[in-house]
Amino acid sequence: KAGVTQTPRYLIKTRGQQVTLSCSPISGHRSVSWYQQTPGQGLQFLFEYFSETQRNKGNFPGRFSGRQFSNSRSEMNVSTLELGDSALYLCASSLQIGGDEQYFGPGTRLTVT
Amino acid sequence: GDSVTQMEGPVTLSEEACLTINCTYTATGYPSLFWYVQYPGEGLQLLLKATKADDKGSNKGFEATYRKETTSFHLEKGSVQVSDSAVYFCALSGRGGGATNKLIFGTGTLLAVQP
Repeated sequence: KAGVTQTPRYLIKTRGQQVTLSCSPISGHRSVSWYQQTPGQGLQFLFEYFSETQRNKGNFPGRFSGRQFSNSRSEMNVSTLELGDSALYLCASSLQIGGDEQYFGPGTRLTVT
Repeated sequence: GDSVTQMEGPVTLSEEACLTINCTYTATGYPSLFWYVQYPGEGLQLLLKATKADDKGSNKGFEATYRKETTSFHLEKGSVQVSDSAVYFCALSGRGGGATNKLIFGTGTLLAVQP
């Protein structure tokens, strides 16, 4: 069974631009969560989706948004990029929501210049 | 709010040495507890988990016991290998706010095993 895939793996953007990252969960998984990983702040929860609905959101500004499609694939969008948005963005999928085992993708490395 | 505290690294050990990485947590209710491992350039892999008090999670020679009385979930291995070199994250998934997969992570501990 294929694992969680994230595209692109690497991305370089300029301040002020916007970016869209994609996550394809493991087949059959209906829940997708997103995390930001930086050296300074560590791993921080962004949001989670289940059955196309956002169920939980972390403490990030409104520039960060996401959605989930009917096939469970998810995208996250960051508008008006800032230098501090440079990070590894990780996506995780699980069968259900509620303490279920999660499987992480390799991440998208975003660099903002 | 919920939080996880784990020991600072790096931890440097010789091959076949014993490993303990301390992890304590603060949470309302009865969270699930996890250890994840991250190898260079990769995402996170679930190493082991425990969902209730006194549960012991184990995998690949690693073990951790959910201690409610001390709010701890220390990671142990009796004999480390060079291939265990990675960053280890302790995490919890709370249950106080309804169904969620949200994980709260510790800061991570870098383990370097020397041959």
